Amino acid sequence: GAVVSQHPSWVICKSGTSVKIECRSLDFQATTMFWYRQFPKQSLMLMATSNEGSKATYEQGVEKDKFLINHASLTLSTLTVTSAHPEDSSFYICSAYGLSNEQYFGPGTRLTVT
Amino acid sequence: SQQGEEDPQALSIQEGENATMNCSYKTSINNLQWYRQNSGRGLVHLILIRSNEREKHSGRLRVTLDTSKKSSSLLITASRAADTASYFCATARNTGTASKLTFGTGTRLQVTL
Repeated sequence: GAVVSQHPSWVICKSGTSVKIECRSLDFQATTMFWYRQFPKQSLMLMATSNEGSKATYEQGVEKDKFLINHASLTLSTLTVTSAHPEDSSFYICSAYGLSNEQYFGPGTRLTVT
Repeated sequence: SQQGEEDPQALSIQEGENATMNCSYKTSINNLQWYRQNSGRGLVHLILIRSNEREKHSGRLRVTLDTSKKSSSLLITASRAADTASYFCATARNTGTASKLTFGTGTRLQVTL
């Protein structure tokens, strides 16, 4: 089946620094990828839609200048959390949209901001 | 918010029993999907039911969809300890070339021996 990877799987950073999270589709090309955020014991909330070669589309309430998304190739999307603060600590999950009309999810990245 | 509701929020059963989770949503959909998430891990896709389908089976899973009531249910039969996880429904709506997913609030299932 289709595989999506994320790197790193977990990261701890200091408040005020920036963190980059990578999402890769390993065996298929994905023109569209999605980024979700999940707080403990809560559901996944869609943050943005990442489109290869064009600007990302952000959901209402998500700061595009804080969560920078780059989808430079058909197999890679990156999410950069800029000037991270403790409230940005969360589980970030990406998904890649495949031709079978299914989304394939990455294993997630646990971000802790101290 | 477009987020759907799931109930119960938490369910504890013994191994061998059946588990039923319900999902309600708010908008028209193309399909509804169920996912499983083990603690601190990614999502595993379980089953997809299209808006024109009413019931679907996959192994020990049975999913129903009632578009008139905007609701769906997931039944896990003969549960096992390994079924312990959080279960989410997600509704899909087309946004051009890709379908956005809106997730429900989730049901935490605990299966004890």
